[in-house]
Amino acid sequence: SYELTQPPSVLVSPGQTARITCSGDALPKKYAYWYQQKSGQAPVLVIYEDTKRPSGIPERFSGSGSGTMATLTITGAQVEDEADYYCYSIDNSGTLGVFGGGTKLTVL
Amino acid sequence: QVQLVESGGGLVQPGTSLRLSCVASGFTFATYAFHWVRQAPGKGLEWVAVASDDESKQYYADAVRGRFRISRDNSKNTVYLEMNSLRHEDTAVYFCARDLAPDIFDHWGQGIQVTVSS
Repeated sequence: SYELTQPPSVLVSPGQTARITCSGDALPKKYAYWYQQKSGQAPVLVIYEDTKRPSGIPERFSGSGSGTMATLTITGAQVEDEADYYCYSIDNSGTLGVFGGGTKLTVL
Repeated sequence: QVQLVESGGGLVQPGTSLRLSCVASGFTFATYAFHWVRQAPGKGLEWVAVASDDESKQYYADAVRGRFRISRDNSKNTVYLEMNSLRHEDTAVYFCARDLAPDIFDHWGQGIQVTVSS
């Protein structure tokens, strides 16, 4: 089965840049999507199709992709950005969705 | 405004069945695909299944294929997840999510708890 791999945790100080990576064999051909989930809440889309930001998402959130890796970057992370972040994509067949294991971002 | 409201969860014994519902409002239901995503206690998100807008296509995660069935009733603005042969490992909060374009989950329900325990 297809897997996406994320680091379990990332720690930054307020105002620093946080980078969360997601690796998967199909990412050169399939888009990556990023979701933010705060404790007890439903996930929220923060980046779609590798680099696009939905309306209402702060400009400090950006996405990039290169080869088998996608990256979510939060430039000037804020305390309110503390959350779990999940990448999502699909396998090469286009029929199987998969989330990465999630990365806990701590801004402290 | 867009709303997705799940229902039908609860505590059930292993081997039994349960049907979740997700009622949508605030948009034209029939033009969107819908997904079910679950989250076990203290764990990450797990994609479960998707139904296309016209229900012509349904796909499932390996962990549920053959036991779960996703369906929809466009006349009732409702998507369902029928879960059979439930296992302890199916215990999770189940979310339904609207698919704005292929794989863009732009709106989610609040989630519904399913607990499988004897």
